[in-house]
Amino acid sequence: EVQLVESGGGLVQPGGSLRLSCAASGFTFSNYAMSWVRQAPGKGLEWVSSISGGADNTFYADSVKGRFTVSRDNSKNILYLQTNSLRADDTALYYCAKGWKSYSFDYWGQGTLVTVSS
Amino acid sequence: QSVLTQPPSVSGAPGQRVTISCTGSTSNIGAGFDVHWYQKLPGTAPKVLIYGNTNRPSGVPDRFSGSKSGTSASLAITGLQAEDEADYYCQSYDSRLSASVFGGGTKLTVL
Repeated sequence: EVQLVESGGGLVQPGGSLRLSCAASGFTFSNYAMSWVRQAPGKGLEWVSSISGGADNTFYADSVKGRFTVSRDNSKNILYLQTNSLRADDTALYYCAKGWKSYSFDYWGQGTLVTVSS
Repeated sequence: QSVLTQPPSVSGAPGQRVTISCTGSTSNIGAGFDVHWYQKLPGTAPKVLIYGNTNRPSGVPDRFSGSKSGTSASLAITGLQAEDEADYYCQSYDSRLSASVFGGGTKLTVL
């Protein structure tokens, strides 16, 4: 059974940083691209970032480019999202999802909440 | 403003049929990229309902169907049930943005 479990969210001041993690199990992690998708309170889904299975290709939404960095540790089956220079409009539930680009996101975690506020 | 446009809300009585549209452009749906549909219930993670325009994952009832034509796609739900009340999102890929893109979401109300 595929499982994705996010962690690392919390309350952070504007300009601060957080590292989100997503522990994966139930599939050969290194064979699949992974993504982060977020949902701000009362808003829709927004793709944030994707990374290829071998970590040699990364992609970012314009809204986070230069501030967020996606990475993965295939030896530990963990996906990361380093979030820097956080702003109030980054407040959202952050989901990790299996898939990328034109493919569907076929499995999702339950999300980790990031709140940016002073 | 979402790259893919969905109606904010639709509604129908139990047993009826409803459709949700997803309108894109020549850089996403019209470029031939697949459209996928997700159901999001409050407090739960999104669940894929339709992938690759028309395909249902195992476990998704055949009351749910997808179609695609030109720069648009649609999700149809027949035999509406109270449990179908949720938010629905379409998703595709945009070659101009080099980004996965979602519609703004449609809230389905079962009357």
